[in-house]
Amino acid sequence: QVQLQESGPGLVRPSETLSLTCSVSSRSVLSADYYWSWIRQAPGRGLEWVGYIHNTGNTKYNPSLKRRVSISLDTSKSQYSLRLTSVTGADTALYYCARDLGSGGGYYYGLDVWGQGTTVIVSS
Amino acid sequence: EIVLTQSPATLSLSPGERATLSCRASQSVGTSLAWYQQKPGQAPRLLIYNASNRVHGVPVRFSGSGSGTDFTLTISSLEPEDFAVYFCQQRSDWVTFGGGTKVEIK
Repeated sequence: QVQLQESGPGLVRPSETLSLTCSVSSRSVLSADYYWSWIRQAPGRGLEWVGYIHNTGNTKYNPSLKRRVSISLDTSKSQYSLRLTSVTGADTALYYCARDLGSGGGYYYGLDVWGQGTTVIVSS
Repeated sequence: EIVLTQSPATLSLSPGERATLSCRASQSVGTSLAWYQQKPGQAPRLLIYNASNRVHGVPVRFSGSGSGTDFTLTISSLEPEDFAVYFCQQRSDWVTFGGGTKVEIK
């Protein structure tokens, strides 16, 4: 079973860049036909999709974050990463990485594997 | 943006009762909808994919239905471990989540 683990600084200063990494337990699965996603959850709030990167390198981002976000993939290190620039207090959240199985044959298969999440606080 | 509206926000029920959770989309998503369960301090867990397909290992008391804009997650008889927050999610357009329904013990 694939496992995901988020890592990164727990505290980021306003206007700086948030950088997180998701380590994937299997290098080969990172090259398979999946969408490697980031989702966040502000304290006491619901889930907000940040974006994903496909194994081909194609990316898609939440339009509300598009100008500030980028996701990259490094199969040699079995990981993918999130960068969010110009952060504010509104970016304080629990950040999850997750695998999106995508769609095929008319079916959407959902986000089947999630990391445990890492808390990021934006504060000076 | 496709907005998913879940209702009710909170459902207060007793073990053994039936839970019916609703998820309504602002425009058709076909069957590109999934349901998740989240317990305190845990990551969400995928229960249902493609609106009505139960993930392997998910108890049969969980079932999903619907298509287009109206979807339902039903828990036929609540077990103590089912009290949690449930989210719906669509991927017809880019990805959005509903606001969640908390199923609490009455």
